Amino acid sequence: QQQVKQSPQSLIVQKGGISIINCAYENTAFDYFPWYQQFPGKGPALLIAIRPDVSEKKEGRFTISFNKSAKQFSLHIMDSQPGDSATYFCAAEDRGSTLGRLYFGRGTQLTVWP
Amino acid sequence: DAGVTQSPTHLIKTRGQQVTLRCSPKSGHDTVSWYQQALGQGPQFIFQYYEEEERQRGNFPDRFSGHQFPNYSSELNVNALLLGDSALYLCASSPRQGAGYGYTFGSGTRLTVV
Repeated sequence: QQQVKQSPQSLIVQKGGISIINCAYENTAFDYFPWYQQFPGKGPALLIAIRPDVSEKKEGRFTISFNKSAKQFSLHIMDSQPGDSATYFCAAEDRGSTLGRLYFGRGTQLTVWP
Repeated sequence: DAGVTQSPTHLIKTRGQQVTLRCSPKSGHDTVSWYQQALGQGPQFIFQYYEEEERQRGNFPDRFSGHQFPNYSSELNVNALLLGDSALYLCASSPRQGAGYGYTFGSGTRLTVV
């Protein structure tokens, strides 16, 4: 079954707006949560990642919010730009028993209109 | 500094045939993981190689096999191809086994089975 559930499947945002993508998981052993950005014809590239000992991490216009009790985490893209148009994947890793194996969500296709 | 290199970039095979995909990891990386990404889906973990041994395996049949060479490069072999094997095959390398140590993906090999 899908270990990491991601929504929405697609998202359209106006330039300058905020893009929000949500993910949920069930396995409480997950202890590393990265977000990847993928452009057509390319492999996923790491955008930002968080560990469960913090509730928020910010890098430039990208912020991860993490809610351990709800087993949810989300990506916020502030001041969204047309160049942000891509597919975004959340993922999770259980570094204890399956170190190096990432479980990916199904992806969110983001379109930012100029 | 070259990143992860995968070859070939595209491949068309007939059902029942066998295929070999190749991956050269990023310089300084010794761990290689393979993922299958079906159209419109997130990557699914196939297996991981470290020190020339398969360390972990996802939910893929024995038709999927791999190898890692002393120079850390890797091959993915798929026997008795099925139409459902059509996908983008991604290789990711890292300097250690955990994804948090700098997982880097290649651009993938697009396999089409007809």
